[in-house]
Amino acid sequence: SSELTQDPAVSVALGQTVRITCQGDSLRSYYASWYQQKPGQAPVLVIYGKNNRPSGIPDRFSGSSSGNTASLTITGAQAEDEADYYCNSRDSSGNHHVVFGGGTKLTVL
Amino acid sequence: QLQLQESGPGLVKPSETLSLTCTVSGGSISSSSYYWGWIRQPPGKGLEWIGSIYYSGSTYYNPSLKSRVTISVDTSKNQFSLKLSSVTAADTAVYYCARRATVVPAALFDYWGQGTLVTVSS
Repeated sequence: SSELTQDPAVSVALGQTVRITCQGDSLRSYYASWYQQKPGQAPVLVIYGKNNRPSGIPDRFSGSSSGNTASLTITGAQAEDEADYYCNSRDSSGNHHVVFGGGTKLTVL
Repeated sequence: QLQLQESGPGLVKPSETLSLTCTVSGGSISSSSYYWGWIRQPPGKGLEWIGSIYYSGSTYYNPSLKSRVTISVDTSKNQFSLKLSSVTAADTAVYYCARRATVVPAALFDYWGQGTLVTVSS
């Protein structure tokens, strides 16, 4: 099976831009999806596909990818963006298995 | 608006079988555009995919859990279910059900249940 690697923690000053990355072989074949999870809540999809935002997700969230690395960028981070962020993808073996990254704790200073 | 709701016992004894059901409302579980999945999260830890099912009954399981997991679907009730056998304390987690869309080559879960905490303890 595949693995997705994320930095455990990232911080950003209020109003600044932050990038959260996700690395894994499966990302060469499949898009990453990104989820925001706040304490005590279910994850919420924030980015999927090449760079798509579900309805209701602010446009300060964007996604990109290069090689085996996918990135989630928050442009102008807000206090309410402080949360855990997870990436996931399909497994690189070509079946319908799913893998999640270990998550990144984002702190907004 | 699609909604998913997990239900089942919040306490399971070691070595027994954990059983949860996810009820889908506001949409059909029989749509060919979606898979339906279970994801869990141990306290203070990250997300772990358990498995997914298609409305036809095709199943896909996390290799690390495959020997203990069964996921089934009941299209007449718009529900899908999870059984995890021989549980230990390591299976204590919040269990989520979620819908996986197939619009792009990815594993995007666009709708999630609120999650249910299952504790394994005697």
